[in-house]
Amino acid sequence: AQSVTQLGSHVSVSEGALVLLRCNYSSSVPPYLFWYVQYPNQGLQLLLKYTSAATLVKGINGFEAEFKKSETSFHLTKPSAHMSDAAEYFCAVSALTSGSRLTFGEGTQLTVNP
Amino acid sequence: GAVVSQHPSWVICKSGTSVKIECRSLDFQATTMFWYRQFPKQSLMLMATSNEGSKATYEQGVEKDKFLINHASLTLSTLTVTSAHPEDSSFYICSARDSTGTSGRVSTGELFFGEGSRLTVL
Repeated sequence: AQSVTQLGSHVSVSEGALVLLRCNYSSSVPPYLFWYVQYPNQGLQLLLKYTSAATLVKGINGFEAEFKKSETSFHLTKPSAHMSDAAEYFCAVSALTSGSRLTFGEGTQLTVNP
Repeated sequence: GAVVSQHPSWVICKSGTSVKIECRSLDFQATTMFWYRQFPKQSLMLMATSNEGSKATYEQGVEKDKFLINHASLTLSTLTVTSAHPEDSSFYICSARDSTGTSGRVSTGELFFGEGSRLTVL
């Protein structure tokens, strides 16, 4: 079984500041990990994914995440926040391929202040 | 990139009626689609896995007679909320896995999400 915990349901940063969204996972088998972004009343857009290749994964819009097995973490970062980054972010885990069923975290609402 | 389209985006219905939501993969074939439900300010909860040509697999606690899923073709899955009640009001999101390439394109196995359908039951 897999599970994901996102620490902090709300994160607020200033424009230009570092964005750090935390995600810890639990999996009985090697995990595949994902970060998705959701804008209001829309579906999910894949930001990046870890599928057992490089532990530092770069995604779209300047986001990246690092898989740390020892810490069972997959935190999402962006060096400089932009107003357009304000959205809900979900961390997700699956046990098989990227097409397998996903288990989502509770989500983190990112607010970017001018 | 691959697109998954949901229709309708918004639907308002009276209590007791049935509502059908469609999920289409527009430029790829999907033998497997997933249906999620999302309450306001909450995460996505997997309701069921829709398999083309066979019965859907429902998650524990999801009433299969309440939420009918049909996956009649490789590009279309439908979710029908039967005898809808106000507590069924929610945001429903589908996802589709690119399982077979079209027009010579290699399948990526990638998972793509629809835009979601907001159901309001009065």
